Amino acid sequence: GAGVSQSPRYKVAKRGQDVALRCDPISGHVSLFWYQQALGQGPEFLTYFQNEAQLDKSGLPSDRFFAERPEGSVSTLKIQRTQQEDSAVYLCASSPRGTQYFGPGTRLLVL
Amino acid sequence: AQKITQTQPGMFVQEKEAVTLDCTYDTSDQSYGLFWYKQPSSGEMIFLIYQGSYDEQNATEGRYSLNFQKARKSANLVISASQLGDSAMYFCAMREGPTQGAQKLVFGQGTRLTINP
Repeated sequence: GAGVSQSPRYKVAKRGQDVALRCDPISGHVSLFWYQQALGQGPEFLTYFQNEAQLDKSGLPSDRFFAERPEGSVSTLKIQRTQQEDSAVYLCASSPRGTQYFGPGTRLLVL
Repeated sequence: AQKITQTQPGMFVQEKEAVTLDCTYDTSDQSYGLFWYKQPSSGEMIFLIYQGSYDEQNATEGRYSLNFQKARKSANLVISASQLGDSAMYFCAMREGPTQGAQKLVFGQGTRLTINP
């Protein structure tokens, strides 16, 4: 079956620009997670949804980061007024219960 | 405090040899889960194997096995008969709390494994 998909795969943004990153989870997966992976590091948790409810957003680094999952399926991570330190790979994962399955990530480069 | 520690930044192994990737963890929870993921250069995180804290037997999935030593808080990944396609970054991760809670994963820094022909 289809895995987790993310778009775009690559995004170059000018500093100060807003970006939106999309995640299509595996059909039927209730849980959805966003992680940020800096170069050479392990992924770090950003936020978690159960269906449409955002149950944990403790990892969002600033109020410039916002995530939503309005219908309990597709999720969007939005970053406002991007900064150079936002450059990273953004990974989305979905889970039925337990194991998380990851998408290919969106590589964001802020110039 | 670091919750997941992977002490080997890089490993080089000859094809067909077995390799052990180290992972130690720190938690005060009784219920937790340990995962290994593979990340090739394409960037996708591929799930390899899972061990629950209450599982009495070590997990195995094909050529992958997890050497779980609860008292030592270690969860090493063993890859038998390594192949060139095993070259990738490998991450150990932990979920604290019961499965039903769908808790976030905490990852280690990773080990870059290179298989030489």
